[in-house]
Amino acid sequence: DVKVTQSSRYLVKRTGEKVFLECVQDMDHENMFWYRQDPGLGLRLIYFSYDVKMKEKGDIPEGYSVSREKKERFSLILESASTNQTSMYLCASSSRRRGDEKLFFGSGTQLSVL
Amino acid sequence: AQSVTQLDSHVSVSEGTPVLLRCNYSSSYSPSLFWYVQHPNKGLQLLLKYTSAATLVKGINGFEAEFKKSETSFHLTKPSAHMSDAAEYFCVVSDLFFGNEKLTFGTGTRLTIIP
Repeated sequence: DVKVTQSSRYLVKRTGEKVFLECVQDMDHENMFWYRQDPGLGLRLIYFSYDVKMKEKGDIPEGYSVSREKKERFSLILESASTNQTSMYLCASSSRRRGDEKLFFGSGTQLSVL
Repeated sequence: AQSVTQLDSHVSVSEGTPVLLRCNYSSSYSPSLFWYVQHPNKGLQLLLKYTSAATLVKGINGFEAEFKKSETSFHLTKPSAHMSDAAEYFCVVSDLFFGNEKLTFGTGTRLTIIP
């Protein structure tokens, strides 16, 4: 069974802390994505990566960075957490093969920044 | 640039009655369109997708959607609602970015089923 695993289901951090959200997929997918989900706003793309060491900004990259040192792992970094980054964070992966654009999602990390 | 608009943030229907969740899109290219479903405390799951083949697309759990280019719509329907259909539904449009797919999500429609 295909799997996207996010390291934490719930996380509580303080303002100013550096936060790492980890995501691992076991499907050998080229594409990986980080979204945040907020009520009434749907899913918004933060960053995505189409290959190892590649990264592209999504629609709301400010305050975030990412790292993809290995194909299966895509990390989201909050350099200095702020309260407006309290949200549900979703990692996803997909194959690059044309016509196979289905996204596989992790179960999410609910981050609270106090 | 692409965008997707889900016209209703919340829809309530009685069990056994039809479901209609509305979605309009804009895209510079021939789009691929998707519906994803998110059940409470669960991850998102692909319901169905349109990729320029048949305009009427059948998905899982009895759902289907019709691509109407003239109306730029991709509405999701089901003939008879079941209690297990209660969830949040997202309409998604894809676009090409350096030859790869980039997906844009709508803001979601929460479906409530009345017993």
